[in-house]
Amino acid sequence: GNSVTQMEGPVTLSEEAFLTINCTYTATGYPSLFWYVQYPGEGLQLLLKATKADDKGSNKGFEATYRKETTSFHLEKGSVQVSDSAVYFCALSDRRNTGFQKLVFGTGTRLLVSP
Amino acid sequence: SQTIHQWPATLVQPVGSPLSLECTVEGTSNPNLYWYRQAAGRGLQLLFYSVGIGQISSEVPQNLSASRPQDRQFILSSKKLLLSDSGFYLCAWSTEAGNQPQHFGDGTRLSIL
Repeated sequence: GNSVTQMEGPVTLSEEAFLTINCTYTATGYPSLFWYVQYPGEGLQLLLKATKADDKGSNKGFEATYRKETTSFHLEKGSVQVSDSAVYFCALSDRRNTGFQKLVFGTGTRLLVSP
Repeated sequence: SQTIHQWPATLVQPVGSPLSLECTVEGTSNPNLYWYRQAAGRGLQLLFYSVGIGQISSEVPQNLSASRPQDRQFILSSKKLLLSDSGFYLCAWSTEAGNQPQHFGDGTRLSIL
């Protein structure tokens, strides 16, 4: 079945450091890929998405490119801030035969940014 | 614009008591609706989803049930809570169209004593 694998956390960085959070997936067909962010005590917010190979999703300085050849969707940011501290989830869509779309989530990667 | 509301935000319940968590969506019609549970420090587990009024699908066997009495209302229930039901419960919605993102509520933190 479809699955998403994320790097183990926590990822600990100093402010202004470069961020990469790895995400690889296994899927049949051509799923859409998403990154969600969860701040402490809150729900998940959609951070960015990509719907086909070579698409680049971007938002708030974060970027991720849909790489079909390596089945990856790594999240990057050039200069992190303390306010970026959160848990980041990679996810893919899994469209069922009934037309219903289910999201398959990775286990999440906690990012801690210190001043 | 579309919004999603969950309540209550936090809940402390004794073992064996009933549960009712409510989720409503505004600004869209005929959404797909979802209930997830997130155990402490872990990922999300899909519990139920619904593609229409009265249509509920369960992903995992458990002590919980879900209902959709109206198009934009999704309710998570239990007749008797277990300690293992503790967690962070998230409601989400998406459009019917394929490969679209899901949009999440702020969650309910449920503690069972």
